[in-house]
Amino acid sequence: NAGVTQTPKFQVLKTGQSMTLQCAQDMNHNSMYWYRQDPGMGLRLIYYSASEGTTDKGEVPNGYNVSRLNKREFSLRLESAAPSQTSVYFCASSEDRETGELFFGEGSRLTVL
Amino acid sequence: QKEVEQNSGPLSVPEGAIASLNCTYSDRGSQSFFWYRQYSGKSPELIMFIYSNGDKEDGRFTAQLNKASQYVSLLIRDSQPSDSATYLCAVNILTNNAGNMLTFGGGTRLMVKP
Repeated sequence: NAGVTQTPKFQVLKTGQSMTLQCAQDMNHNSMYWYRQDPGMGLRLIYYSASEGTTDKGEVPNGYNVSRLNKREFSLRLESAAPSQTSVYFCASSEDRETGELFFGEGSRLTVL
Repeated sequence: QKEVEQNSGPLSVPEGAIASLNCTYSDRGSQSFFWYRQYSGKSPELIMFIYSNGDKEDGRFTAQLNKASQYVSLLIRDSQPSDSATYLCAVNILTNNAGNMLTFGGGTRLMVKP
C-alpha cells in the first residue's frame, strides 16, 4: 500500500520562483491536509480539504494556494517563494474524526534561497 | 500564547525507566487529544488518542487527560532506546466542518539511554 505519496521530496528554489507540491492518497479518505514543520514549531496547518471540491485556510495560509483536484489528490502551490517558506511540508489524509489519525506522507523538504 | 505547549526537551531517561511527557492546551473547547511519535527525518505516526478524563492504557503507553487543568500527558513504561523520538501532542476542536483540524505542540524530544 502506497498510503500518502508526496512529490518532490527535495526542492531548492530561488526567491520569487513558483512551484507545486503534489500529494496523492490511495486510502479513499475524504479529508486531506497540508502542514509545514519548522524546528521547535511543531506542525502548523496551512490548508485543508474536508471533502472533494472544498478547501479551507488553516493557521498559516499566506503565500500558498491549494487545489483539491479529485478525491485522491491535493496540491499545494507557492506562487512566489520566499525564504520564510523554507520548511518541511507534510501532506496528510484522514477519515476517522474520532481517532484523529492522520496518515502522513514522507515529507517534502523545501529550501528557498 | 501558543495553543498547545510542550517542553522541547530533550528529556533523557535510562533504559527501563518511565518517561513522562507533558502537554498543556489553552482552548477549553478542545474535545480530543492525541500523541504522535516522530522519528528523526520521518513523518509522524499516531500512538494514542484520548477524549475522556482519566487514564487510557495501550501496552507500555498510558495517556492521561485532565480537562479541568487542561493537561494531557503520556507515560512510557519500560522505556527502550527505540522509543527515542520526538513526541507531538495534538488537540482537536471538533467544528462543523468535517475532518481533523489538529493543532500540534512543538514536540518533546525523548532520548532513552542504554
